Amino acid sequence: DAGVIQSPRHEVTEMGQEVTLRCKPISGHNSLFWYRQTMMRGLELLIYFNNNVPIDDSGMPEDRFSAKMPNASFSTLKIQPSEPRDSAVYFCASKLGGPGELFFGEGSRLTVL
Amino acid sequence: QQQVKQSPQSLIVQKGGISIINCAYENTAFDYFPWYQQFPGKGPALLIAIRPDVSEKKEGRFTISFNKSAKQFSLHIMDSQPGDSATYFCAASNSGGGADGLTFGKGTHLIIQP
Repeated sequence: DAGVIQSPRHEVTEMGQEVTLRCKPISGHNSLFWYRQTMMRGLELLIYFNNNVPIDDSGMPEDRFSAKMPNASFSTLKIQPSEPRDSAVYFCASKLGGPGELFFGEGSRLTVL
Repeated sequence: QQQVKQSPQSLIVQKGGISIINCAYENTAFDYFPWYQQFPGKGPALLIAIRPDVSEKKEGRFTISFNKSAKQFSLHIMDSQPGDSATYFCAASNSGGGADGLTFGKGTHLIIQP
């Protein structure tokens, strides 16, 4: 059974470029989360969706970040324009609604030069 | 504001010893407390979780101890093995009100020496 699938696994880009990270949650899961991981700040919740609807985006750092979930099987996190301080590992995770196990993808490592 | 504080940042334990990682939380509305384990290059994976209606939960060599009045919980790894070397995160969430995104501690890098 496939887990959460993220792409790309690695992205190197230059400052000012647009970056799009993609996520396919586990089939049947109705909650999807985007986290950012850095050494300094640990795992930060950026945004999460329930039934494709954004519920809490208070963790999105600024207007350069946006996330969409057009259907139950796909979500994107976009950074435009990217900056070096955006360099991090971005994780997508999914679960069934309510408390319970959160399943993480393997992450997308972003480096902005 | 850091809602879940985790310590220590790093920990070295001899094989066979007990590893102990501590967390404290501030939000009394939290009602679900999981621990996640992360290996290099991988995403975090659920290790064990507890709800505040019990004071302890044990699964194999892993035990969570929970102190509701002190707003603290800890992970104990008994008979620690080199394969346990990883980063461990405590987390908390409030399953009521729709706010069920997990808030994570900053992690503990655990090394088990052979």
